Amino acid sequence: QSALTQPRSLSGSPGQSVTISCTGTSGDVGGYNYVSWYQQRPGQAPQLLLYDVSKRPSGIPDRFSGSKSGITASLTISGLQAEDEANYFCCSYAGGYTYVFGVGTVVTVL
Amino acid sequence: QVQLVQSAAEVLKPGASMRVSCRAPGDIFSDSEIAWVRQAPGQGLEWMGWISGYNGNRKFAQKFQGRVTMTTDTSTGTAYMEMRSLTSDDTALYYCARKELRYCAGGSCNDWFDSWGPGTQVTVSS
Repeated sequence: QSALTQPRSLSGSPGQSVTISCTGTSGDVGGYNYVSWYQQRPGQAPQLLLYDVSKRPSGIPDRFSGSKSGITASLTISGLQAEDEANYFCCSYAGGYTYVFGVGTVVTVL
Repeated sequence: QVQLVQSAAEVLKPGASMRVSCRAPGDIFSDSEIAWVRQAPGQGLEWMGWISGYNGNRKFAQKFQGRVTMTTDTSTGTAYMEMRSLTSDDTALYYCARKELRYCAGGSCNDWFDSWGPGTQVTVSS
């Protein structure tokens, strides 16, 4: 099972938008709408950001949104803020009660 | 979010075995699947497998089958992950992550991890 492909790093200025892609296969991202995203700030454990491609848990700002097309899911951060500087991971159900994570994208706020 | 408590860091020699634990509140544990996810230095997250706090069912990533054992102690709400024949490539931060027992309704299944432990650092070095 190969890790989902994400860009290693992205950056943006405060107020801008950044979009992180997460590319898998028909056996994971393309086969199920069970993509979740996690934010990991330096020195901290990951935190759930989105689930079921685009749903936000309570407490997550609506600046974070998600979508999926084919084998690629995307996380968009609108109105970038300094506190959004973190590592972002996607995760997909991969069938047979297994899961696969992305390699992570480090977002830098300029 | 559920607070997960993990065991302390370990330093081990190549060829040794590791055992990390993850404790959840008692009333939550039986409604949970506990997954183990590791993060090597500067690397991404790697899903290793999960075990059900309800009935002990488990599933491993193919890479770890045969080398990893997952068990639970329902009396204390604790999940354990043991891995043997360690090498330096196993040096990583090992997280436990919790999801609800899997259910599907209305064409959707609850396949996300809502809570994470703080991580247990395991270092393998001669």
